Amino acid sequence: SYVLTQPPSVSVAPGKTARISCGGKDIGSKSVHWYQQKPGQAPVVVIYYDGDRPSGIPERISGSNSGNMATLTISWVEAGDEADYYCQVWDSSSDQGVFGGGTKLTVL
Amino acid sequence: EVHLEESGGDLVQPGGSLRLSCAASGFMFSSYWMSWVRQAPGKGLEWVANIKQDGSEEYYVDSVKGRFTISRDNAKKSVYLQMNSLRVEDTALYYCARVVGVVRMWWFDPWGQGTLVTVSS
Repeated sequence: SYVLTQPPSVSVAPGKTARISCGGKDIGSKSVHWYQQKPGQAPVVVIYYDGDRPSGIPERISGSNSGNMATLTISWVEAGDEADYYCQVWDSSSDQGVFGGGTKLTVL
Repeated sequence: EVHLEESGGDLVQPGGSLRLSCAASGFMFSSYWMSWVRQAPGKGLEWVANIKQDGSEEYYVDSVKGRFTISRDNAKKSVYLQMNSLRVEDTALYYCARVVGVVRMWWFDPWGQGTLVTVSS
């Protein structure tokens, strides 16, 4: 089955840029989606189709995908960005959804 | 406003059964695939199952195949998850989610608030 690998944690100071990676074999050939989950809340999509933002998601949140790595980038990090972030793809070969293990973003 | 509300979570013994329900509102339910995703306490997200608009196709994660069945009732705007032969490792918060996007490039939006299933003796 397809595996997505994320770092367990990323720490960044306010105002700096956070980059959260999501590794997978030839992930560049798939569409990657990203979710933000704050404590006690359901996940919310922040990026879909590699780099598209739903309405209401600020432009300082962006995504890219190439080769074996997808990246979620959060610029000008704020305290309110502190959350768990998950990448997700649909594995067509097995017809199963796949999530990365999640990355806890800590704002110092 | 699109809204999903899960129910049916409970404490159940290993080997037992449970049926989860998800009531949808605010969108044309019969036009969307639907999904169940779970999250064990303190752990990450795990996709569980998807069902096609007319119920003719279903997909499952390997760990629940043969034990769980996803179904839907478009007249009631509801999706269900029948869980049999429950194991301790099935303990999780179960989310219902709408499936969106191009076929097999899907993502999940929105999500309900979840219903808790605890499998323990």
